[in-house]
Amino acid sequence: GQQLNQSPQSMFIQEGEDVSMNCTSSSIFNTWLWYKQDPGEGPVLLIALYKAGELTSNGRLTAQFGITRKDSFLNISASIPSDVGIYFCAGQKGAQKLVFGQGTRLTINP
Amino acid sequence: NAGVMQNPRHLVRRRGQEARLRCSPMKGHSHVYWYRQLPEEGLKFMVYLQKENIIDESGMPKERFSAEFPKEGPSILRIQQVVRGDSAAYFCASSKRGPGRRQPQHFGDGTRLSIL
Repeated sequence: GQQLNQSPQSMFIQEGEDVSMNCTSSSIFNTWLWYKQDPGEGPVLLIALYKAGELTSNGRLTAQFGITRKDSFLNISASIPSDVGIYFCAGQKGAQKLVFGQGTRLTINP
Repeated sequence: NAGVMQNPRHLVRRRGQEARLRCSPMKGHSHVYWYRQLPEEGLKFMVYLQKENIIDESGMPKERFSAEFPKEGPSILRIQQVVRGDSAAYFCASSKRGPGRRQPQHFGDGTRLSIL
């Protein structure tokens, strides 16, 4: 089945630093979604991407839909303590099921 | 606006018992999806339902698991004769329109199922 490879698996950064994470797929997707999950809660949608090459921002977050349709990137600028959590990418092809990456766990040292 | 509501938040069952997990989608959403998450892993798709119909159950085990989304009331994920390996967090998501229609899925806070 389709698989998403998300990296890095974990990140330890200082408050104020920028963060970059990415997701790659073995096959093409036409939708990429980025979610954040806090402990004990469900994933919360951060950014949705529907077009190859699309670059979308949500506050300090910016995500891009790769030109090849096989990857996506999420950047967080000037990290703050509340950015701590697990970030998941998810891809979808047409009306097929949503496929999730394994997550990137972000830890911020104050 | 109420989001996706799942209950119970935590459920403890002994091996062999039945587990019933409920999900009320966001208002105006008629498409419901169930996912399973093991610790330190991403979410794995189980089943997709649209009012009274199962559209895709390719991620759901053939035995012991069933799902429904009746005309009235919440969607139910039912696990019969639970085993230890069923311990996981089960998440429900909903969308206004179906997959591929530029309608992102919004998630509930999950039910954490523990099997003793």
